[in-house]
Amino acid sequence: GQSLEQPSEVTAVEGAIVQINCTYQTSGFYGLSWYQQHDGGAPTFLSYNALDGLEETGRFSSFLSRSDSYGYLLLQELQMKDSASYFCAVRDLVRGSTLGRLYFGRGTQLTVWP
Amino acid sequence: DAGVIQSPRHEVTEMGQEVTLRCKPISGHNSLFWYRQTMMRGLELLIYFNNNVPIDDSGMPEDRFSAKMPNASFSTLKIQPSEPRDSAVYFCASRPATKQETQYFGPGTRLLVL
Repeated sequence: GQSLEQPSEVTAVEGAIVQINCTYQTSGFYGLSWYQQHDGGAPTFLSYNALDGLEETGRFSSFLSRSDSYGYLLLQELQMKDSASYFCAVRDLVRGSTLGRLYFGRGTQLTVWP
Repeated sequence: DAGVIQSPRHEVTEMGQEVTLRCKPISGHNSLFWYRQTMMRGLELLIYFNNNVPIDDSGMPEDRFSAKMPNASFSTLKIQPSEPRDSAVYFCASRPATKQETQYFGPGTRLLVL
Protein backbone atom coordinates (compact mmCIF):
# COMPACT_ATOMS: atom_id res chain seq x y z
CA GLY A 1 0.00 0.00 0.00
CA GLN A 2 0.88 3.64 0.11
CA SER A 3 1.44 5.90 3.10
CA LEU A 4 2.56 9.49 3.44
CA GLU A 5 3.55 11.25 6.62
CA GLN A 6 3.64 15.00 7.10
CA PRO A 7 3.24 17.18 10.20
CA SER A 8 -0.32 18.17 10.98
CA GLU A 9 0.44 21.78 11.91
CA VAL A 10 3.19 24.35 11.48
CA THR A 11 3.21 27.97 12.63
CA ALA A 12 5.54 30.81 11.68
CA VAL A 13 5.65 34.59 11.49
CA GLU A 14 5.59 36.80 8.44
CA GLY A 15 8.90 37.00 6.68
CA ALA A 16 10.16 33.73 8.12
CA ILE A 17 11.11 30.50 6.34
CA VAL A 18 9.27 27.26 6.98
CA GLN A 19 9.94 23.71 5.81
CA ILE A 20 7.20 21.09 5.57
CA ASN A 21 8.53 17.55 5.43
CA CYS A 22 6.95 14.54 3.79
CA THR A 23 8.02 10.91 3.99
CA TYR A 24 6.37 8.25 1.92
CA GLN A 25 6.12 4.53 1.34
CA THR A 26 4.77 3.45 -1.99
CA SER A 27 5.25 1.00 -4.82
CA GLY A 28 5.90 2.21 -8.33
CA PHE A 29 6.94 5.73 -7.40
CA TYR A 30 6.87 8.32 -10.18
CA GLY A 31 7.19 11.61 -8.37
CA LEU A 32 6.21 13.84 -5.45
CA SER A 33 3.78 16.74 -5.80
CA TRP A 34 2.75 19.55 -3.49
CA TYR A 35 -0.66 21.19 -3.40
CA GLN A 36 -1.98 24.18 -1.48
CA GLN A 37 -5.52 24.44 -0.19
CA HIS A 38 -7.04 27.48 1.45
CA ASP A 39 -10.03 27.03 3.76
CA GLY A 40 -13.11 26.26 1.70
CA GLY A 41 -11.14 26.18 -1.52
CA ALA A 42 -9.86 23.71 -4.05
CA PRO A 43 -6.37 22.22 -3.90
CA THR A 44 -4.03 23.99 -6.29
CA PHE A 45 -0.82 22.60 -7.73
CA LEU A 46 2.43 24.06 -6.42
CA SER A 47 5.31 21.87 -7.55
CA TYR A 48 6.45 18.45 -8.71
CA ASN A 49 9.70 16.54 -8.28
CA ALA A 50 10.41 13.44 -10.31
CA LEU A 51 14.18 13.51 -9.79
CA ASP A 52 16.36 14.09 -6.76
CA GLY A 53 17.16 17.67 -5.97
CA LEU A 54 15.65 21.06 -5.48
CA GLU A 55 13.05 22.74 -7.68
CA GLU A 56 12.55 26.46 -7.15
CA THR A 57 9.47 28.45 -8.08
CA GLY A 58 9.57 31.95 -6.69
CA ARG A 59 9.25 31.91 -2.91
CA PHE A 60 8.48 28.20 -2.90
CA SER A 61 10.97 25.37 -3.38
CA SER A 62 10.51 21.63 -3.26
CA PHE A 63 13.10 18.95 -2.65
CA LEU A 64 13.14 15.21 -3.25
CA SER A 65 15.41 12.39 -2.17
CA ARG A 66 14.21 9.17 -3.77
CA SER A 67 16.71 7.05 -1.86
CA ASP A 68 15.36 8.36 1.44
CA SER A 69 11.69 8.40 0.31
CA TYR A 70 11.61 11.96 1.57
CA GLY A 71 10.76 15.39 0.32
CA TYR A 72 10.01 18.83 1.62
CA LEU A 73 8.36 22.06 0.66
CA LEU A 74 10.25 25.21 1.59
CA LEU A 75 8.34 28.47 1.85
CA GLN A 76 10.41 31.65 2.10
CA GLU A 77 9.46 35.23 2.95
CA LEU A 78 6.22 34.04 4.43
CA GLN A 79 3.13 36.15 3.93
CA MET A 80 -0.23 36.06 5.68
CA LYS A 81 -1.81 34.75 2.50
CA ASP A 82 0.37 31.63 2.74
CA SER A 83 -1.78 30.43 5.66
CA ALA A 84 -3.34 27.29 4.20
CA SER A 85 -3.09 23.51 4.17
CA TYR A 86 -0.24 21.98 2.22
CA PHE A 87 -0.48 18.44 0.89
CA CYS A 88 2.24 16.21 -0.41
CA ALA A 89 1.08 13.65 -2.96
CA VAL A 90 2.82 10.67 -4.46
CA ARG A 91 2.29 9.90 -8.11
CA ASP A 92 1.93 6.17 -8.40
CA LEU A 93 1.20 3.61 -11.09
CA VAL A 94 -2.31 2.44 -11.87
CA ARG A 95 -2.64 -1.29 -12.40
CA GLY A 96 0.17 -1.57 -14.91
CA SER A 97 -0.67 1.69 -16.64
CA THR A 98 1.97 4.39 -16.82
CA LEU A 99 -0.63 7.09 -16.37
CA GLY A 100 -0.32 7.36 -12.62
CA ARG A 101 -2.67 8.50 -9.89
CA LEU A 102 -2.05 10.60 -6.80
CA TYR A 103 -2.10 9.51 -3.17
CA PHE A 104 -2.39 12.50 -0.86
CA GLY A 105 -0.99 12.98 2.61
CA ARG A 106 -3.27 14.26 5.38
CA GLY A 107 -2.03 17.80 4.95
CA THR A 108 -0.10 20.31 7.05
CA GLN A 109 -1.98 23.35 8.30
CA LEU A 110 0.34 26.36 8.08
CA THR A 111 -0.56 29.42 10.13
CA VAL A 112 1.37 32.60 9.48
CA TRP A 113 1.23 35.21 12.23
CA PRO A 114 1.87 38.91 11.72
CA ASP B 1 -9.98 29.98 -19.64
CA ALA B 2 -12.67 28.29 -17.60
CA GLY B 3 -11.42 25.92 -14.97
CA VAL B 4 -13.07 22.72 -13.86
CA ILE B 5 -16.76 23.34 -13.27
CA GLN B 6 -18.74 21.47 -10.66
CA SER B 7 -22.41 21.58 -9.78
CA PRO B 8 -24.11 21.94 -7.48
CA ARG B 9 -21.73 23.81 -5.17
CA HIS B 10 -23.79 22.86 -2.14
CA GLU B 11 -26.25 20.06 -1.64
CA VAL B 12 -28.33 19.22 1.41
CA THR B 13 -30.42 16.10 1.23
CA GLU B 14 -32.06 13.54 3.42
CA MET B 15 -30.81 10.05 4.02
CA GLY B 16 -32.02 7.65 1.36
CA GLN B 17 -32.26 10.22 -1.40
CA GLU B 18 -30.31 10.02 -4.64
CA VAL B 19 -27.57 12.58 -5.13
CA THR B 20 -25.97 13.42 -8.46
CA LEU B 21 -22.82 15.50 -8.67
CA ARG B 22 -21.68 16.92 -11.99
CA CYS B 23 -18.33 17.90 -13.42
CA LYS B 24 -17.13 19.57 -16.58
CA PRO B 25 -13.37 19.16 -17.00
CA ILE B 26 -11.09 21.68 -18.63
CA SER B 27 -11.38 21.44 -22.40
CA GLY B 28 -8.63 19.30 -23.89
CA HIS B 29 -7.83 17.45 -20.68
CA ASN B 30 -8.06 13.70 -21.12
CA SER B 31 -8.06 12.49 -17.51
CA LEU B 32 -10.73 13.11 -14.88
CA PHE B 33 -10.64 12.32 -11.18
CA TRP B 34 -13.31 12.28 -8.46
CA TYR B 35 -12.09 12.85 -4.90
CA ARG B 36 -13.80 12.98 -1.52
CA GLN B 37 -12.43 15.07 1.35
CA THR B 38 -13.35 14.68 5.00
CA MET B 39 -11.63 15.58 8.23
CA MET B 40 -11.41 11.92 9.20
CA ARG B 41 -10.07 10.46 5.97
CA GLY B 42 -8.45 13.39 4.21
CA LEU B 43 -8.46 13.57 0.41
CA GLU B 44 -9.33 10.22 -1.14
CA LEU B 45 -9.44 9.27 -4.80
CA LEU B 46 -12.76 7.63 -5.63
CA ILE B 47 -12.43 6.96 -9.34
CA TYR B 48 -10.28 8.00 -12.26
CA PHE B 49 -11.11 8.16 -15.99
CA ASN B 50 -8.74 8.39 -18.90
CA ASN B 51 -10.19 9.19 -22.34
CA ASN B 52 -13.65 8.64 -20.81
CA VAL B 53 -12.78 5.09 -19.70
CA PRO B 54 -12.70 4.22 -15.98
CA ILE B 55 -9.15 3.20 -15.12
CA ASP B 56 -9.24 2.75 -11.36
CA ASP B 57 -12.41 2.62 -9.27
CA SER B 58 -10.85 0.92 -6.27
CA GLY B 59 -11.63 3.96 -4.14
CA MET B 60 -15.37 3.83 -4.68
CA PRO B 61 -16.67 3.03 -1.20
CA GLU B 62 -19.47 0.66 -2.10
CA ASP B 63 -22.17 -0.12 -4.63
CA ARG B 64 -24.13 2.94 -3.62
CA PHE B 65 -21.58 5.01 -5.51
CA SER B 66 -21.37 5.08 -9.29
CA ALA B 67 -19.64 7.34 -11.78
CA LYS B 68 -19.97 7.85 -15.50
CA MET B 69 -18.20 9.83 -18.16
CA PRO B 70 -20.34 9.69 -21.30
CA ASN B 71 -18.12 12.13 -23.19
CA ALA B 72 -14.95 14.15 -22.81
CA SER B 73 -16.72 17.18 -21.36
CA PHE B 74 -18.98 15.71 -18.71
CA SER B 75 -18.93 13.33 -15.77
CA THR B 76 -21.32 12.45 -12.98
CA LEU B 77 -20.90 10.89 -9.57
CA LYS B 78 -24.07 9.40 -8.18
CA ILE B 79 -24.87 8.23 -4.67
CA GLN B 80 -27.99 6.13 -4.29
CA PRO B 81 -29.18 5.84 -1.58
CA SER B 82 -27.27 8.51 0.30
CA GLU B 83 -26.28 8.12 3.95
CA PRO B 84 -25.13 10.66 6.58
CA ARG B 85 -21.57 9.27 6.41
CA ASP B 86 -21.42 10.38 2.78
CA SER B 87 -21.34 14.00 3.95
CA ALA B 88 -18.11 15.46 2.59
CA VAL B 89 -16.67 17.78 -0.01
CA TYR B 90 -16.46 16.09 -3.39
CA PHE B 91 -13.86 17.42 -5.79
CA CYS B 92 -13.51 16.77 -9.47
CA ALA B 93 -10.10 17.30 -11.07
CA SER B 94 -8.83 17.06 -14.62
CA ARG B 95 -5.38 16.57 -16.10
CA PRO B 96 -3.92 17.18 -19.53
CA ALA B 97 -2.05 14.44 -21.33
CA THR B 98 0.90 16.75 -21.85
CA LYS B 99 1.39 17.59 -18.18
CA GLN B 100 0.55 14.49 -16.25
CA GLU B 101 2.10 15.68 -13.01
CA THR B 102 -0.53 18.40 -12.61
CA GLN B 103 -4.17 18.07 -11.66
CA TYR B 104 -6.60 20.99 -11.78
CA PHE B 105 -9.30 20.85 -9.16
CA GLY B 106 -12.81 22.20 -9.36
CA PRO B 107 -14.34 24.23 -6.51
CA GLY B 108 -15.98 21.16 -5.00
CA THR B 109 -19.50 20.18 -4.01
CA ARG B 110 -20.26 20.37 -0.31
CA LEU B 111 -22.68 17.56 0.43
CA LEU B 112 -24.61 17.24 3.66
CA VAL B 113 -26.80 14.20 4.15
CA LEU B 114 -29.19 14.54 7.07
